[in-house]
Amino acid sequence: AQSVTQLGSHVSVSEGALVLLRCNYSSSVPPYLFWYVQYPNQGLQLLLKYTSAATLVKGINGFEAEFKKSETSFHLTKPSAHMRDAAEYFCAVSFSGGYNKLIFGAGTRLAVHP
Amino acid sequence: DTGVSQDPRHKITKRGQNVTFRCDPISEHNRLYWYRQTLGQGPEFLTYFQNEAQLEKSRLLSDRFSAERPKGSFSTLEIQRTEQGDSAMYLCASSLGGGQGDSYEQYFGPGTRLTVT
Repeated sequence: AQSVTQLGSHVSVSEGALVLLRCNYSSSVPPYLFWYVQYPNQGLQLLLKYTSAATLVKGINGFEAEFKKSETSFHLTKPSAHMRDAAEYFCAVSFSGGYNKLIFGAGTRLAVHP
Repeated sequence: DTGVSQDPRHKITKRGQNVTFRCDPISEHNRLYWYRQTLGQGPEFLTYFQNEAQLEKSRLLSDRFSAERPKGSFSTLEIQRTEQGDSAMYLCASSLGGGQGDSYEQYFGPGTRLTVT
């Protein structure tokens, strides 16, 4: 069975500081991995995805993530936080043969302080 | 490409009433998904359509829930005899799948927030 664990339901950083949001997955088959962002009262927007190509994936808004199979991790990073990055971030996994339905983690709320 | 749209955006209903939500996917997308998101949680998969065929239903989808996608275009999600536990955000997503055209990406609508009083 596939599952996702996001460590830290709340993360707080200062503007300009490094952002690190942690995601570990469990999958019995090669996974596809995603990070989505959700702003208040809105749907989810895709930040980036890993689908078995390059392990370091660059996304929108300066975010990137690295797929580490040995650690079953797909952590999201951004070198310098902006106030507009404050939102809820979700890591998700899917797999071929499962109709690509997404299995989400519980989410991490990112706060950015001036 | 106008994106995925959902209607209504908000619905308040009394316990025991029936409600129906609509989702209009991106026009060329053959795959359509429904998810439910409760406060403080990530979205949970409810059901999946490929064109007009409903191919998978989650155990979360009790007998009070039914979904359709006539002609493989828009989809509706109906909840009968609503309960307070049905209060949640209902999200619809679509994607282009199958063969070499599979992008794996799902595009989400803004959601319908249901409050059952």
